[in-house]
Amino acid sequence: NAGVTQTPKFRILKIGQSMTLQCAQDMNHNYMYWYRQDPGMGLKLIYYSVGAGITDKGEVPNGYNVSRSTTEDFPLRLELAAPSQTSVYFCASRDFGGRNTEAFFGQGTRLTVV
Amino acid sequence: AQKVTQAQTEISVVEKEDVTLDCVYETRDTTYYLFWYKQPPSGELVFLIRRNSFDEQNEISGRYSWNFQKSTSSFNFTITASQVVDSAVYFCALSPYGGATNKLIFGTGTLLAVQP
Repeated sequence: NAGVTQTPKFRILKIGQSMTLQCAQDMNHNYMYWYRQDPGMGLKLIYYSVGAGITDKGEVPNGYNVSRSTTEDFPLRLELAAPSQTSVYFCASRDFGGRNTEAFFGQGTRLTVV
Repeated sequence: AQKVTQAQTEISVVEKEDVTLDCVYETRDTTYYLFWYKQPPSGELVFLIRRNSFDEQNEISGRYSWNFQKSTSSFNFTITASQVVDSAVYFCALSPYGGATNKLIFGTGTLLAVQP
């Protein structure tokens, strides 16, 4: 199993550009999450999904959009990149209801907006 | 509303000292999960432990131990005889046990520096 795979690992964007951060998991998990981690700070929840077709806002959703058309994929879209979106982005998945309910994290995407 | 507070921003200890990382949480849910994660300097997030709210038994795993006290809404983490390899940021997290919403909320983390 690959677990949770995030692409790309690094990206530099110019202000106003758009991009999609990809996240895929192969564990058939119901729940998926997107977090951002600013330098020296904790993890803040951007969006989450409890299953295909269902998404909801987290603590800091402004400037982002998500979709969940399949169980496996949960892409995060930045429409008009701003310097405030410079951060490390983590995707996670979780299998609620099973014995193991901890979240599994991807390796992160380091995004710089200049 | 859910909230996790890790009041200790940074802790510095000398190798072999014991250290306790505090975690206080707020939730209206009657059943919930609590977690601890470790983030070493390499940046990945490593799961350490899960505890559900109806199991207040403390747990020990090698040099690590966790003290869950529902009465004080705390889930503290102790490292005994700390080692340099324990240097990392440690996060406490909270999630409801069930329901339609399943937010997983993290605290701000505690940076632990273990000096040789």
